[in-house]
Amino acid sequence: DIQMTQSPSSLSASVGDRVTITCQASQDIGNYLSWYQQKPGKAPNLLIYDASRLKTGVPSRFAGSGSGTDFTFTITSLQPEDFATYYCQQYDHFLSFGGGTKVEIK
Amino acid sequence: QITLKESGPALVKPTQTLTLTCSFSGFSLTTTGVGVGWIRQPPGKALEWLAVIYWDDDPRYNSSLKTRLTITKDTSKNQVVLTMTNMDPVDTATYYCAHRFNLVPGDVFDVWGQGTMVSVS
Repeated sequence: DIQMTQSPSSLSASVGDRVTITCQASQDIGNYLSWYQQKPGKAPNLLIYDASRLKTGVPSRFAGSGSGTDFTFTITSLQPEDFATYYCQQYDHFLSFGGGTKVEIK
Repeated sequence: QITLKESGPALVKPTQTLTLTCSFSGFSLTTTGVGVGWIRQPPGKALEWLAVIYWDDDPRYNSSLKTRLTITKDTSKNQVVLTMTNMDPVDTATYYCAHRFNLVPGDVFDVWGQGTMVSVS
């Protein structure tokens, strides 16, 4: 099974900050990686697929990059509605999620 | 508009079998490429994929739970059913069903149900 390791597990940031989250796969997954946002009490919301493609309607301040085993998720200018938990997910071999990164208000 | 909604018992006893139903609209599970998956999330913890079923009736399971899971579809009712045997308190979680995003070759989920909380006690 492919293990996904996200870091950090949590971070504190201010509105307007640039935020970066990393996700590492236990083996090469090409670009078969997606990112989700989840707010408390709500279902996850797909933001990015194929490592860097934004789902239609997702703001351009969200970005993804990487391939192989190392991936990055960036929010270029954090907005109040972006405080949430973010998960990476690989879909190269079945599927598995990272442990999540909680983005909190500083 | 695609919507999904989970239903099932809120409380089950240890060793019992859990049966969850996902009722959906806005798509057909007979269309090539379409799939519905189940994902769960214990309180305060990360997401865990459980199973997915495709338009061609091919099921896939999380290897660590495979012996306990069965996923089936009823296309006439627009429903997907997940059963999980031998429930344990560690299976306490919110269970989500979700629609497979058909722009990628793998299993990514673009529309999710609201989730249903299941406690095992």
